[in-house]
Amino acid sequence: QQQVKQSPQSLIVQKGGISIINCAYENTAFDYFPWYQQFPGKGPALLIAIRPDVSEKKEGRFTISFNKSAKQFSLHIMDSQPGDSATYFCAARSGGSYIPTFGRGTSLIVHP
Amino acid sequence: KAGVTQTPRYLIKTRGQQVTLSCSPISGHRSVSWYQQTPGQGLQFLFEYFSETQRNKGNFPGRFSGRQFSNSRSEMNVSTLELGDSALYLCASAWSSGSHEQFFGPGTRLTVL
Repeated sequence: QQQVKQSPQSLIVQKGGISIINCAYENTAFDYFPWYQQFPGKGPALLIAIRPDVSEKKEGRFTISFNKSAKQFSLHIMDSQPGDSATYFCAARSGGSYIPTFGRGTSLIVHP
Repeated sequence: KAGVTQTPRYLIKTRGQQVTLSCSPISGHRSVSWYQQTPGQGLQFLFEYFSETQRNKGNFPGRFSGRQFSNSRSEMNVSTLELGDSALYLCASAWSSGSHEQFFGPGTRLTVL
């Protein structure tokens, strides 16, 4: 049972474009939604995270948009750069269960 | 400040063998979690240790076990290896159990032949 569905599986964007990755969840008990960035040969690194009491959070070129009623959240990468090429994972976690649930990942390639 | 270190980085074993992976968390972090990452199943939580006690456990068979030492270093053991155990095993450390912010190590790539 996949509790967090992530799309697309892969994404190709031109330099300077906007990359958008979407996630949908089922468990309404989730109260923390992080995004991770993983480069080849490295472990995932926390990129940005949001709680359901806000609809948007921005850190530099990275923005999370959160729609609680639709149970969806998305990552927007503005002015995408070749250095952003990596695999991105969304995740969800609830305060009652510390076990995080991850999306399957999106492989992002930004062409120069 | 040193990050999470995992040893070994690469490991090749044959079916039926057992393997032990090691993780040293960031200094001061007392929580260590283990994850299995595969192309088919993605990132899956194995278990979390805090203060030498297993606090949370994912849905994996009993062949997967772990422990944590008094210095917060952790080991994960997989017995009777199966081909399907081939994966990247990631360790993540955090200040305390349940901390949302986790810091991942580079992983140990295990190949079972």
